[in-house]
Amino acid sequence: NAGVTQTPKFRVLKTGQSMTLLCAQDMNHEYMYWYRQDPGMGLRLIHYSVGEGTTAKGEVPDGYNVSRLKKQNFLLGLESAAPSQTSVYFCASTDGLAGGPAKNIQYFGAGTRLSVL
Amino acid sequence: DQQVKQNSPSLSVQEGRISILNCDYTNSMFDYFLWYKKYPAEGPTFLISISSIKDKNEDGRFTVFLNKSAKHLSLHIVPSQPGDSAVYFCAARSIIQGAQKLVFGQGTRLTINP
Repeated sequence: NAGVTQTPKFRVLKTGQSMTLLCAQDMNHEYMYWYRQDPGMGLRLIHYSVGEGTTAKGEVPDGYNVSRLKKQNFLLGLESAAPSQTSVYFCASTDGLAGGPAKNIQYFGAGTRLSVL
Repeated sequence: DQQVKQNSPSLSVQEGRISILNCDYTNSMFDYFLWYKKYPAEGPTFLISISSIKDKNEDGRFTVFLNKSAKHLSLHIVPSQPGDSAVYFCAARSIIQGAQKLVFGQGTRLTINP
């Protein structure tokens, strides 16, 4: 059972280059999320999706775009990478059912470490 | 502004003793509070949670306490084991327009010394 898989695991970009981070989940979850983790900042929400074909902005959306064309996949795009986007990116998913966290715990991928030079 | 704060970046505890990790929050609208554990090169994994209407939740060696009047929660691990060495994130949940959102603290790196 793979859970949440992120590709690639590592990437180095030059300023201005573009790239797409892929998140795939095999748990048939409705909700998917993209976070970034920076030293001393915890995890901050970039964008999220409440279902196939939907996306919404999180806390720090600037410079990123997302797409959810298939339920199991959530893509994060950087159109023109900047050094400020050097970070570790995490994808998460949850089934989004109403109720306590026991029913909608967020499951995380292993992360993508991105460096922008 | 940081809605969820973990003011201790690191904590070192001797094996077998109690580890206490603290977290403060500012938003009274959070309905659940969660603790996640993270090992290097892995994603965070869910550890334990507490509803905003409770003051204590226990799961084996892990207990979370919530003090709503002080807007403070703590995670107690007893007895601490070497495998507990990790970064612990406190998170607070809100439901906005039907979507669950988590706000994370900065994390506390716990080191258990043998």
